[in-house]
Amino acid sequence: GENVEQHPSTLSVQEGDSAVIKCTYSDSASNYFPWYKQELGKRPQLIIDIRSNVGEKKDQRIAVTLNKTAKHFSLHITETQPEDSAVYFCAAKNAGNMLTFGGGTRLMVKP
Amino acid sequence: DSGVTQTPKHLITATGQRVTLRCSPRSGDLSVYWYQQSLDQGLQFLIQYYNGEERAKGNILERFSAQQFPDLHSELNLSSLELGDSALYFCASSPRQGNTGELFFGEGSRLTVL
Repeated sequence: GENVEQHPSTLSVQEGDSAVIKCTYSDSASNYFPWYKQELGKRPQLIIDIRSNVGEKKDQRIAVTLNKTAKHFSLHITETQPEDSAVYFCAAKNAGNMLTFGGGTRLMVKP
Repeated sequence: DSGVTQTPKHLITATGQRVTLRCSPRSGDLSVYWYQQSLDQGLQFLIQYYNGEERAKGNILERFSAQQFPDLHSELNLSSLELGDSALYFCASSPRQGNTGELFFGEGSRLTVL
């Protein structure tokens, strides 16, 4: 089955700096890669996603890049703000329609 | 509000007991997914149903079972509970089986096994 590795597990940045979270996946047939943000005690919510036919996608301060050959994708957050503090999960959906999540990254933005 | 409703929000029970968690998906969504999130852990995929039929199975223990009813609500049954089953159980829904779009998560059911 699919295996998704996510790094780092914790990330601390200063407000205004950029944050990068990286994920690798194992199933070359995976074709959909969403990122979810989970605030403390809340449900995960989709913040951005990318499909396998696209290399990069941007939405305001967040962007995701995908390298299918290397089977890795990354989340980039620029100009970080305290409200960006949360746990971020990457995920990969394979041909069997199973969405597998990475282990999560706890992002802390220090004011 | 995602439109996905989970009950109960909190549940405390003893080892060896059995509990049922309920999920009502968003109106019109045919797919229901169950995930387990242990303390400070990631989201472990348990099982997916589409329009009443099982479509994908993850690391779901034999002590756990689930089903999706004709009205599309789903139930996750956990039996012979162990301390390690304490976790937050999320249900999520999406419109179509093969849809590569968003999963809408409920608020979760927090299970504590004492």
